[in-house]
Amino acid sequence: QSVLTQPPSASGTPGQRVTISCSGSNFNIGTHSVFWYRQVPGTAPKLLIHRDNQRPSGVPDRFSGSKSGTSASLAISGLQSDDEADYYCAGWDDSLSGNVVFGGGTKLTVL
Amino acid sequence: QLQLQESGPGLVRPSETLSLTCTVFAGSISTSGYYWGWIRQPPGRGPEWIGNIYYSGSTFYNPSLESRVTISIDTSTKKISLKLRSVTAADTAVYSCARQLRDCSGGYCYFAEFDYWGQGILVTVSS
Repeated sequence: QSVLTQPPSASGTPGQRVTISCSGSNFNIGTHSVFWYRQVPGTAPKLLIHRDNQRPSGVPDRFSGSKSGTSASLAISGLQSDDEADYYCAGWDDSLSGNVVFGGGTKLTVL
Repeated sequence: QLQLQESGPGLVRPSETLSLTCTVFAGSISTSGYYWGWIRQPPGRGPEWIGNIYYSGSTFYNPSLESRVTISIDTSTKKISLKLRSVTAADTAVYSCARQLRDCSGGYCYFAEFDYWGQGILVTVSS
């Protein structure tokens, strides 16, 4: 059971805009930054979004992050076939003595 | 471009100690503000943070694993080691090392993004 909750799957057609949600609590998303990672099976995860909505250098502006209260979202516009991957949200959690927490992941399928 | 590579046995017997090494290539292991972390991902599940270490040797661990984990660092060889004791089948996972920022910009320090990752290594716990 992951601390951050994501839908297990999402899908869209090429060119479409899709969003992936991440739900947490005031111990994590409600207080601290959210991060998003993309992982193609068998490869290392790649940082897509940091500090809720900031893109690292080299990440296309088709990827955007947002946050409201204890929930966050990743939006992908102009969906492409190679966007098919697993997407994870993550952040810092203040409960107990502090911990880095992840969502369970959302598998994005491009139809 | 910084690169990380995990190494170690792919099979560990139950009750024994899992030992892995992460080697840092093409970059510094002593960059200010960056820690070296271990993360694992059981089959079909989301990632789980194990803990991390600074080049000075300062460590932070996941409270749920803290009693069984030791992370150490050798800056001369640019290697970070992970030891997980008394393993069970539940410890079967892909284990990855990654560089993690410690963000203190807002007056409160917390662990932020992982910006460089290794490819990961599958460790199976089985007799």
